[in-house]
Amino acid sequence: QVHLQESGPGLVKPSQTLSLTCTVSGDSITSGSYLWTWIRQHPGKGLEWIGYISSTGSTYYDPSLKSQFAISVDTSKNQFSLKLSSVTAADTAVYYCTRVRHTSVGGGFDYWGQGTLVTVSS
Amino acid sequence: EIVLTQSPATLSLSPGERATLSCRASQSVSSYLAWYQQKPGQAPRLLIYDASNRATGIPARFSGSGSGTDFTLTISSLEPEDFAVYYCQQRSSWVTFGQGTRLEIK
Repeated sequence: QVHLQESGPGLVKPSQTLSLTCTVSGDSITSGSYLWTWIRQHPGKGLEWIGYISSTGSTYYDPSLKSQFAISVDTSKNQFSLKLSSVTAADTAVYYCTRVRHTSVGGGFDYWGQGTLVTVSS
Repeated sequence: EIVLTQSPATLSLSPGERATLSCRASQSVSSYLAWYQQKPGQAPRLLIYDASNRATGIPARFSGSGSGTDFTLTISSLEPEDFAVYYCQQRSSWVTFGQGTRLEIK
């Protein structure tokens, strides 16, 4: 069974950098079959795709978001990470990690972490 | 950016009734559309992918249809656990989600 688990600080001060990690079990990031993804949800709002990364490190980000996001992968730990620089209160959200097939345009985000709430506040 | 518009925003029905949720894309997404269910405090759950394929473990009362710009999620007979928020999502061009339809108990 595939399992994804987010980890990181629940509270970050404005202007600091947020770092989150997603640990994957039950599947290997290096399989090349999936794009490893970050999605966030502002309180009481809908879902917002941030971006994804392939096993080879190719990254794709939502072009409508500011370019302060960076996704990376650590294949030795079977983890991928999200960094968000210069956070503001508008970055307060639940952050989810998930995956989607790389081998086709279709499919869906089939396994998700439980989500981690990040609050930006001084 | 492809905009997905879901309707209605809120749907009030009783258990046993049929639910029909709509998702309209601002341009064609072919059949690359998925549907998710989200309950409070939980991550979204994939229900339907590629417009009409049920994900693993999803009950047969959930079905999806459509192609191009107009899509429908149908729940044939509502169970109490089906009352939740539903989102559509496309990956034809980047990734976008609809704003959600809240399915509430009447």
